[in-house]
Amino acid sequence: NAGVMQNPRHLVRRRGQEARLRCSPMKGHSHVYWYRQLPEEGLKFMVYLQKENIIDESGMPKERFSAEFPKEGPSILRIQQVVRGDSAAYFCATQGGNEQFFGPGTRLTVL
Amino acid sequence: TQLLEQSPQFLSIQEGENLTVYCNSSSVFSSLQWYRQEPGEGPVLLVTVVTGGEVKKLKRLTFQFGDARKDSSLHITAAQPGDTGLYLCAGRYTGTASKLTFGTGTRLQVTL
Repeated sequence: NAGVMQNPRHLVRRRGQEARLRCSPMKGHSHVYWYRQLPEEGLKFMVYLQKENIIDESGMPKERFSAEFPKEGPSILRIQQVVRGDSAAYFCATQGGNEQFFGPGTRLTVL
Repeated sequence: TQLLEQSPQFLSIQEGENLTVYCNSSSVFSSLQWYRQEPGEGPVLLVTVVTGGEVKKLKRLTFQFGDARKDSSLHITAAQPGDTGLYLCAGRYTGTASKLTFGTGTRLQVTL
């Protein structure tokens, strides 16, 4: 998927634990988008970040979810005190011109 | 809230048949993209359309963008088992910066 890296690919957490999802964009790309895909559904926008800035977080749940994209290192989506409803595939994407290229996703399972 | 409706949701056809998938919205897109997603993987970009009335072809796939830029279609000719997957349209609405709004997807299965 055009060099967008995500890890881990699979993550299992128990209710109440924290989940950290990482995204390394394509080289030279400084914009990152996070999307969530629930089973049998399309992707839903969560947040759009540039280096050290949150540009649009209109899709982020108000509580327990946060995202950052530091000057150095990957973008991180953090989910605190996970609940079963957080189980989903989380994708990040980077922008090249008019187009977005997606990583392989992190599949989060909350037991 | 902008809604992007995709139809049909499921499609099961035999190899060699033709099919069309539709993507409709009540709002105008500044651009629209079609993706295909395999199980356990991220969406892979197939095409981007920007101009109303635009038609793009990618081998057996033909993509059309409506004149008013509110709808799009994907037509596959002579489907093959390798076309099996989830097809997603995603639009960028005017005034919403860069985020994409995705349709719910069309799950296509092509059998021998």
